[in-house]
Amino acid sequence: DAKTTQPPSMDCAEGRAANLPCNHSTISGNEYVYWYRQIHSQGPQYIIHGLKNNETNEMASLIITEDRKSSTLILPHATLRDTAVYYCIVRVGQTGANNLFFGTGTRLTVIP
Amino acid sequence: DAGITQSPRHKVTETGTPVTLRCHQTENHRYMYWYRQDPGHGLRLIHYSYGVKDTDKGEVSDGYSVSRSKTEDFLLTLESATSSQTSVYFCAISGSGLAGGTTGELFFGEGSRLTVL
Repeated sequence: DAKTTQPPSMDCAEGRAANLPCNHSTISGNEYVYWYRQIHSQGPQYIIHGLKNNETNEMASLIITEDRKSSTLILPHATLRDTAVYYCIVRVGQTGANNLFFGTGTRLTVIP
Repeated sequence: DAGITQSPRHKVTETGTPVTLRCHQTENHRYMYWYRQDPGHGLRLIHYSYGVKDTDKGEVSDGYSVSRSKTEDFLLTLESATSSQTSVYFCAISGSGLAGGTTGELFFGEGSRLTVL
C-alpha cells in the first residue's frame, strides 16, 4: 500500500472549517483513500473514504485531486470535540485484511 | 457502536511472564486485527485473522502469537513479556463485504494498556 504524508499538527478556530491535507503521490489506481481519527486515547474512528470522486457524509467531506496524488479532509464547522489525531491511509480495495499503515497522522487542535 | 470488547483494559506484569489479551466481538465480522500504539510510531499491525484458525503476521509480529478458535474471539499472547512490549493494544474488526460491513472500515475497541516492569 502507498504511504502518506501529513503535517504533524494544525490548529483551527472553533466554528471554522478545518482542512487537513494528505499527500499520497505514489498511490495506485486501485487504492482507496481512507480517513480515521483518534480522540485522546480512544480507539480510532472511521470518518470517510473515497477512490477518485469527492465524497461527503455527516462527519466530513473528502476532496481528492484529479491526479489522486493528494487529498483534503474537510470538517465544515469544527468543534472542540473534533480535537484529535487524524490519519490518512491508502489501501487496496475496500474489503479484506489489508495491512493498513496508520503513520503518525495530524494532530488537530480546535481552539475556542 | 460496534460490539467490540477488549480485556483486560489495564494490566501490569513483570518481565518474563506470559500475558494474554482478549478481543471479543458480537458483530460476526470476518476479519480481526491486533495493533499496538506507541508514542512516535502511530498504530502498527501485529497480527490479523481472516477467519477461524486463519491468521497472518503484520508489521511487528515478533514476540507475539495469536489464536482464533471462534469467530467472535481473537486472542493475543505474549509468551514471555518484555519491557519493549509495554504499549496500548487495540483490537479491530472489519466486515467481508458480504455479511457485515460493505465499505471496509475498521471498528476499533477501546484499547488495553499493558505495562511490563
